[in-house]
Amino acid sequence: GNSVTQMEGPVTLSEEAFLTINCTYTATGYPSLFWYVQYPGEGLQLLLKATKADDKGSNKGFEATYRKETTSFHLEKGSVQVSDSAVYFCALIPTGGGNKLTFGTGTQLKVEL
Amino acid sequence: GAVVSQHPSRVICKSGTSVKIECRSLDFQATTMFWYRQFPKKSLMLMATSNEGSKATYEQGVEKDKFLINHASLTLSTLTVTSAHPEDSSFYICSGYRQETQYFGPGTRLLVL
Repeated sequence: GNSVTQMEGPVTLSEEAFLTINCTYTATGYPSLFWYVQYPGEGLQLLLKATKADDKGSNKGFEATYRKETTSFHLEKGSVQVSDSAVYFCALIPTGGGNKLTFGTGTQLKVEL
Repeated sequence: GAVVSQHPSRVICKSGTSVKIECRSLDFQATTMFWYRQFPKKSLMLMATSNEGSKATYEQGVEKDKFLINHASLTLSTLTVTSAHPEDSSFYICSGYRQETQYFGPGTRLLVL
């Protein structure tokens, strides 16, 4: 079956530090890959997505590249801010029909001054 | 675009009463919507897939008679928690599906006393 594995948190960084949150997946074919962000007490917001190999999704300074050879979709940001503190979910929708998301367990990011 | 709203954002009810939560796609038509439940510091658990004009598809272990889903139009799905009990207290999140992506609402926090 399909699955998504994320690094466990919490990840604690100082402001302006470089961020990497690892995400790997198991799925057949070429799933669509997503990063969602959840701020405290809120629903999920789509952060970025990629639908085919080597695509790079980017938004608000965050980037992730769809790597088919390593089945990965790691989230990166060059300089984090306190306002980036949230929970980040990696997810996939499988190829060829079906529209259900398979989520990772989420990674909490805390950014301190 | 692709904005989803939920109402109410918070609700407190007495044990034994029923509570209705609305999920609306504001700027797109969603033939498919999803309902999730999220426990504190956990990932999202898919409860059911709501299809416009047809019966919802429930995930294994979710009681369809307790969690009634109606998707009467292309922009509105409702989840009714019937005869709510304290163990139903949770954060309920819906999403609308559009162009191979799920867009999430802000969530509804339900507290059953």
